[in-house]
Amino acid sequence: AQSVTQLGSHVSVSEGALVLLRCNYSSSVPPYLFWYVQYPNQGLQLLLKYTSAATLVKGINGFEAEFKKSETSFHLTKPSAHMSDAAEYFCAVRKAGTALIFGKGTTLSVSS
Amino acid sequence: GAGVSQSPSNKVTEKGKDVELRCDPISGHTALYWYRQSLGQGLEFLIYFQGNSAPDKSGLPSDRFSAERTGGSVSTLTIQRTQQEDSAVYLCASSRTSGGEVDTQYFGPGTRLTVL
Repeated sequence: AQSVTQLGSHVSVSEGALVLLRCNYSSSVPPYLFWYVQYPNQGLQLLLKYTSAATLVKGINGFEAEFKKSETSFHLTKPSAHMSDAAEYFCAVRKAGTALIFGKGTTLSVSS
Repeated sequence: GAGVSQSPSNKVTEKGKDVELRCDPISGHTALYWYRQSLGQGLEFLIYFQGNSAPDKSGLPSDRFSAERTGGSVSTLTIQRTQQEDSAVYLCASSRTSGGEVDTQYFGPGTRLTVL
């Protein structure tokens, strides 16, 4: 069975600081992995996805994630946080079939 | 073009009543998904449709939940005899296709259901 675990339900950073949101996956087959962002009272928006083409994936708004098979991780990073990055972030793996299995989410707070 | 739309945006109902939630996918998208987002359970898959194939209902939590998709486009999620634990945000997503391709799922804004 496939699953994802997001470490830390809440992460707080200062504006300009590095953002690191952690995601570990469990999958018996090569996984397809995704990061989505949800701004308050809005739907989910895709940040980036890993589909085995390249281990370092660049997404929108300056975010990127690196697939590390040896660590079963797909952590999301951004070099410099902006106030507008404050949102909830979800890591997801695509299950056999096509539906997504989501982690519990990490709320990112950015302070000035 | 237009994204995924859902209606109503908010629904308040009394316990025991039936509710219908509507999803309009992106035009041309053959795959449609329903998810539920609640405080206790996070984001859960409910059901997905691919073209004219039989839907994957493996995520539906009980037989009070059902969904249909008419004409391969609009979908309606129906919850019968609502319970307070059904209170959640119901999200719909669509993608161009499914099967072996990893196609991006585009999400609607959701319907917030409150069962009193």
